[in-house]
Amino acid sequence: GAGVSQSPRYKVTKRGQDVALRCDPISGHVSLYWYRQALGQGPEFLTYFNYEAQQDKSGLPNDRFSAERPEGSISTLTIQRTEQRDSAMYRCASSLGWGSQETQYFGPGTRLLVL
Amino acid sequence: QQPVQSPQAVILREGEDAVINCSSSKALYSVHWYRQKHGEAPVFLMILLKGGEQMRHEKISASFNEKKQQSSLYLTASQLSYSGTYFCGTGQPYDSWGKLQFGAGTQVVVTP
Repeated sequence: GAGVSQSPRYKVTKRGQDVALRCDPISGHVSLYWYRQALGQGPEFLTYFNYEAQQDKSGLPNDRFSAERPEGSISTLTIQRTEQRDSAMYRCASSLGWGSQETQYFGPGTRLLVL
Repeated sequence: QQPVQSPQAVILREGEDAVINCSSSKALYSVHWYRQKHGEAPVFLMILLKGGEQMRHEKISASFNEKKQQSSLYLTASQLSYSGTYFCGTGQPYDSWGKLQFGAGTQVVVTP
């Protein structure tokens, strides 16, 4: 079956603009995770959902970042008033069940560049 | 808190062995190992759970020492395809259930 998909794959925006990054998890996967990955670093946890409920948003850097998963499937990560420091690879992952014993499958990521 | 991986990088000749370590300052419930090749998404290798057995993926195996709060990944008889960056992700028993903290990675280069 299809894996995790993300769109757009690349996004170039100007400082101050809002961006919305989309994640489509593996069909039937209950949990969805958002990470940010800087070049040469490991994924940095941002937030995650079980079904439509946001369980933990402690990794969101500030209140310009928000995420939703209204129907328990597709999720959107929104960054308002983007800044150059927001430039990074944003990755989404999903797992069949919830809990840290579950395998997380990563998507291809969205490369965000803020000019 | 982010786990610490060592070494940062290792260069191997095909057929050689290597060990990558992942240590946490907090009690662990699970350790996930991923391999990421340049420009690609991290690919799941294996997961080790508290009280579980040593795991294996092809000729790559891993162990989990709960008391020492660390895991080790063993690359045995390395192949060219083993090149990439290896990340460990840790889940804590009292942390948000499902949240993983990833280390900074260990870059592995296998040469002919």
